[in-house]
Amino acid sequence: QSVLTQPPSVSAAPGQKVTISCSGSNSIIGHNYVSWYQHLPGTAPKLLIYDNNKRPSGIPDRFSGSKSGTSATLGITGLQTGDEADYYCGTWDSSLSAPWVFGGGTKLTVL
Amino acid sequence: EVQLVESGGGLVQPGGSLRLSCAASGFTVISNYMSWVRQVPGKGLEWVSIIYSGGSTYYADSVKGRFTISRDNSKNTVYLQMNSLRADDTAMYYCARTYYSRNWHFDSWGQGTRVTVSS
Repeated sequence: QSVLTQPPSVSAAPGQKVTISCSGSNSIIGHNYVSWYQHLPGTAPKLLIYDNNKRPSGIPDRFSGSKSGTSATLGITGLQTGDEADYYCGTWDSSLSAPWVFGGGTKLTVL
Repeated sequence: EVQLVESGGGLVQPGGSLRLSCAASGFTVISNYMSWVRQVPGKGLEWVSIIYSGGSTYYADSVKGRFTISRDNSKNTVYLQMNSLRADDTAMYYCARTYYSRNWHFDSWGQGTRVTVSS
């Protein structure tokens, strides 16, 4: 079980908006920047958001990130069937058994 | 164009060894941080190891003492030497370029190479 908690699954209809939360302790999320990844198993994961709210070039502005206190949030608007994937948050924590931790992942279903 | 291509995965018996390779193009591994991340079947992503541009290396506790990350600058390739393999090392292994701005983030990934540890 990850120290970053994500909901196992979320769902919404095409065109709608969805948010995925990522919560942790103050020593983890509270003091570090968070990144988000989209992953279809068996394919290369893709960076969506880094440093809490920055989008790499090529990532549409339908994807957004935010952080408040000990929680981070990924938002996706204008849902498309191609957005159906697993989404992971991640951040640094030097106090754990690995300096980097991922959340447990959230399966997004576009109904 | 940045590209990462992993190879070297396969079926190995418990206690055996395997060396994974990650061939990079479009950038130089010596100037970047490079990581290995794995995904156990049915589970989430797990960070495994990183090598800094200066050569420092770090590992997850689950692989410390058994896995070694290294690079060959002339081949622009990063390796993961895996020894004393266990069944719970069975996973898809991904190589990722790791960029540091305000924190690490993995900005480019390979397609992965599958490792199966089984007798």
